[in-house]
Amino acid sequence: QSVLTQPPSASGTPGQRVTISCSGSSPNFGRNAVSWFQQLPGTAPKLLIYRNSHRPSGVPDRFSGSKSGTSASLAISGLQSEDEADFYCAAWDDSLNGWVFGGGTRVTVL
Amino acid sequence: QVQLQQSGPGLVKPSQTLSLTCAISGDSVSSNSAAWNWIRQSPSRGLEWLGRTYYRSKWYIGYGVSVKSRITINPDTSKNQFSLQLNSVTPEDTAVYYCARTGETGDVDYWGQGTLVTVSS
Repeated sequence: QSVLTQPPSASGTPGQRVTISCSGSSPNFGRNAVSWFQQLPGTAPKLLIYRNSHRPSGVPDRFSGSKSGTSASLAISGLQSEDEADFYCAAWDDSLNGWVFGGGTRVTVL
Repeated sequence: QVQLQQSGPGLVKPSQTLSLTCAISGDSVSSNSAAWNWIRQSPSRGLEWLGRTYYRSKWYIGYGVSVKSRITINPDTSKNQFSLQLNSVTPEDTAVYYCARTGETGDVDYWGQGTLVTVSS
């Protein structure tokens, strides 16, 4: 049972917009920022969004993040076939004194 | 560009100690703005943070609650690396283990390549 809650799956057709939610609680989302990772099969997670809504260099602007209260979301606009992957949210938890993660959302491009 | 290179055995017997090392290039284990983490991933437990070490005028080490009684993380400044030891392993500890950096933004930004560790006799 992951500390952060994500839907297990999401899907869309090429060009569509897909949104993934991530639900937390006060110890993690209360004072701390959310980050998002993309994981392709057989590879390590890759940082996609940091500090709730910032993209590292090289991440396409099709990916965007937001956070409000104890909820966060990742949006993928203009969905492409190469976006098929598992996506995870993460945040520091002040109660557990450690990083906590969502259970992951598998995005399928139909 | 920061790179993390993991090394260590992929098979450990039950009750023995799992040992992995993460060699850092492009940054320093003694950096005053980074932290060095171990994270594992398994189908049953998902992504699980195990612990971290960092230097802020002195060394700090913190461990995740699920492994706190069995884990040791050590920095090695002479080799610019850090290590993980997990004692008394069981098949439940079978997972892909990653080392990862927390950077200046406070986010986990670089990951090692991952090491699949299987606990089996």
